[in-house]
Formats: sequence, C-alpha cells, structure tokens
Amino acid sequence: GQNIDQPTEMTATEGAIVQINCTYQTSGFNGLFWYQQHAGEAPTFLSYNVLDGLEEKGRFSSFLSRSKGYSYLLLKELQMKDSASYLCAVGGNTPLVFGKGTRLSVIA
Amino acid sequence: ETGVTQTPRHLVMGMTNKKSLKCEQHLGHNAMYWYKQSAKKPLELMFVYSLEERVENNSVPSRFSPECPNSSHLFLHLHTLQPEDSALYLCASSQRQRAGTGELFFGEGSRLTVL
Repeated sequence: GQNIDQPTEMTATEGAIVQINCTYQTSGFNGLFWYQQHAGEAPTFLSYNVLDGLEEKGRFSSFLSRSKGYSYLLLKELQMKDSASYLCAVGGNTPLVFGKGTRLSVIA
Repeated sequence: ETGVTQTPRHLVMGMTNKKSLKCEQHLGHNAMYWYKQSAKKPLELMFVYSLEERVENNSVPSRFSPECPNSSHLFLHLHTLQPEDSALYLCASSQRQRAGTGELFFGEGSRLTVL
C-alpha cells in the first residue's frame, strides 16, 4: 500500500522561508507532486519530481530523495497569498495518492 | 473556457433524493477522476476512467455510481446518500501514461451537503 505523511499545520512570517516536509512509502514510484489549495478552491499543480535533487521554480522549490522516501517543498519570500494547504501526492502503480495536506498560515 | 468545469458548485440533498454531479474537461486528456475531499482527511480517489476503462476504489459505497459517456464528460450519480457523504467532490483529468498518472488538473469542486 501507500502511506504519505506531512505536518498538519505550519505558521510562518511574511518574507521568511518555510520548508514543508513529506515522507512516503509506496509500491512503485513514478513521481512526487506538490499541489497548492486555497480555501474553497481546487488544488493547483506546483511541482513534480521524479529524479533525486532540487527543482526550482521561482519562489518555490521541491526536493526529492527516493532512497529516503522524502520530499520537501521550500517557499521563499513568503507572501500573505501563500496561506493555503499544500498537498503532497505520490504517483506509483496506481493513480495519485495524496497526503492530508499541510495548512500554512503566513502572518505579518 | 476553463480546463475542467464542474456543476453544480453547491448541492444540498435529502437522503432519499437522486442527483448527479457533472464534470467536463476541455484539455484533450484521456483520463478523468472523481476524488472525495472531507475535512482533515486526504483526498480519496473514488473512480478513474482511462481510455473508457473504469477503475474504482473498492471502499466506495454503491450509492455512488459513475458514468463516463466519452473522454470529455464524467458524471457521478448519487442516490440514498448518508450525512457522512457530505464533502467536496473534485473532478480531475490527466493525460494518462501507460504507468502511473501525469499531472492532474482539478475542477473547482462540487460541495455536497446531505441532510
């Protein structure tokens, strides 16, 4: 089966950097996804990692270590609009399986 | 036209009602999905239609019945639901590869309340 674990809630200050961790156990692996979901809205795609290492995309970066079953999403120069839930999802032999999501609150 | 469109956005129904949720994708994808999102729970995959083949989560009750008439349209038929079925139902589409899933594109969701 598949198991995905990420923190439930995090709080960070505007302008700061925050790292959201995700650990996973999966049967088969063909990529790890991060999605952002604002309250009352649909999840939107942020990043995709299939090889080990860091993928950078503007203020957001995502890291993957397949041997450790570990990923993180790094958000830099936090803005108030970054307050949202961040969902870690793993693709394997089945359709994407999602974690419970991490609710990030950005405060002034 | 947005990529994935769901209707209705909000639905309130009694336990004896029959209703349907509709999803339409304009992205040319070959796979469509229904996910259920409840408070403090992960997104739960309910059904997948890929190239007209259906895959389902065996834990989904039979009071939920999907229909996929073509690659662009997906329905979720609801009947004799229970209050615990109240949740956000998200439709998604992707270009499905032979193994695993490509990036999912989600609709805005249908917020269902069962009284």
